[in-house]
Amino acid sequence: AQSVAQPEDQVNVAEGNPLTVKCTYSVSGNPYLFWYVQYPNRGLQFLLKYITGDNLVKGSYGFEAEFNKSQTSFHLKKPSALVSDSALYFCAVRDPLTTGNQFYFGTGTSLTVIP
Amino acid sequence: DAGVIQSPRHEVTEMGQEVTLRCKPISGHDYLFWYRQTMMRGLELLIYFNNNVPIDDSGMPEDRFSAKMPNASFSTLKIQPSEPRDSAVYFCASTVGGTDTQYFGPGTRLTVL
Repeated sequence: AQSVAQPEDQVNVAEGNPLTVKCTYSVSGNPYLFWYVQYPNRGLQFLLKYITGDNLVKGSYGFEAEFNKSQTSFHLKKPSALVSDSALYFCAVRDPLTTGNQFYFGTGTSLTVIP
Repeated sequence: DAGVIQSPRHEVTEMGQEVTLRCKPISGHDYLFWYRQTMMRGLELLIYFNNNVPIDDSGMPEDRFSAKMPNASFSTLKIQPSEPRDSAVYFCASTVGGTDTQYFGPGTRLTVL
């Protein structure tokens, strides 16, 4: 079965500190991995994705994520958090060979950056 | 491009009434997805279409829910009759097959009293 897990419902970090939002996945093939962000009363916005190639992926707003195949993880990171980064973050996985275009989303992690 | 457009943005209705949610995908996108988001269950895929054809509707909760895509630029999600437990935010998303990134609309917040 395909799935993605976000082990933390809530992450708090001080402004200016590095942040990490964790994601692990379980797919039977080669995963396509995504991060989305949702601001209050808005739809999900694409941040970054990993398809193949370099394990470190850079995305919008200074975010990056590292694909780790041995640990089946795709953690989202940012070197210096901003208050405006406070939002709900979703990890998603897709395996084109087994699930086609169906995405599986995690339950979301609420990030709060404290001024 | 205006992005994915959903209407209405907010809908308040009474139990038993019919509700129709609308979505206009991004022009040229051939996949369209309907999701439901609640605090309890998170983001759930209800159904998705490819080239206007429903591909997987296994996420549709029950027969009260139906979705159609009569053409490439319009889709509806209908609930008849509506129940209070249907209260949620419903999102539509579209993508081009092979490019992977889904683009989400702003959502419709449905409240069933």
